[in-house]
Amino acid sequence: GQNIDQPTEMTATEGAIVQINCTYQTSGFNGLFWYQQHAGEAPTFLSYNVLDGLEEKGRFSSFLSRSKGYSYLLLKELQMKDSASYLCAVVDTDKLIFGTGTRLQVFP
Amino acid sequence: EAQVTQNPRYLITVTGKKLTVTCSQNMNHEYMSWYRQDPGLGLRQIYYSMNVEVTDKGDVPEGYKVSRKEKRNFPLILESPSPNQTSLYFCASSFDRVNEQYFGPGTRLTVT
Repeated sequence: GQNIDQPTEMTATEGAIVQINCTYQTSGFNGLFWYQQHAGEAPTFLSYNVLDGLEEKGRFSSFLSRSKGYSYLLLKELQMKDSASYLCAVVDTDKLIFGTGTRLQVFP
Repeated sequence: EAQVTQNPRYLITVTGKKLTVTCSQNMNHEYMSWYRQDPGLGLRQIYYSMNVEVTDKGDVPEGYKVSRKEKRNFPLILESPSPNQTSLYFCASSFDRVNEQYFGPGTRLTVT
């Protein structure tokens, strides 16, 4: 079956670094996405990993370990506007399976 | 402007009254999806389409139908809506399943 786990909520301070973890179990892995979703808005794309390793894109980085079924999203130099939900999604053959999302609150 | 549009944005209806939510994209994307988003359950894929005339069930297809007669349009049909289909619905499109998905603004549906 399919299973994706990520923490429900996290808090952090402006300027800090936060790591949001995602673990998954799927039978036909074809890559992993991270999306950001602000309250009341549609999700927007952050990153896609299909090979093991770290992908860096500005303040955001995403890591994947296929053998461990594990990914993380790293947010550096946190800003207030980073307060949002972060969604991990796995491509299972042709379907997309989303985790329930991690709500991140950034405090001044 | 590249975008995914959905209509209507808000809809309140009654049990059993057939409805259609339209979705259209102008990016020539081949892959399109419908999702519902519910508190505590996250985004769940209802149906997806990898190209014209090709549609497949996602994780929660019961009670829904879709069609893909043209590349740009992917309507979601609820033949006989029930209160458990009250949800926030998103349409999304991408070049293929492993590319960035662009989401529509969402349709908030309430079935009484």
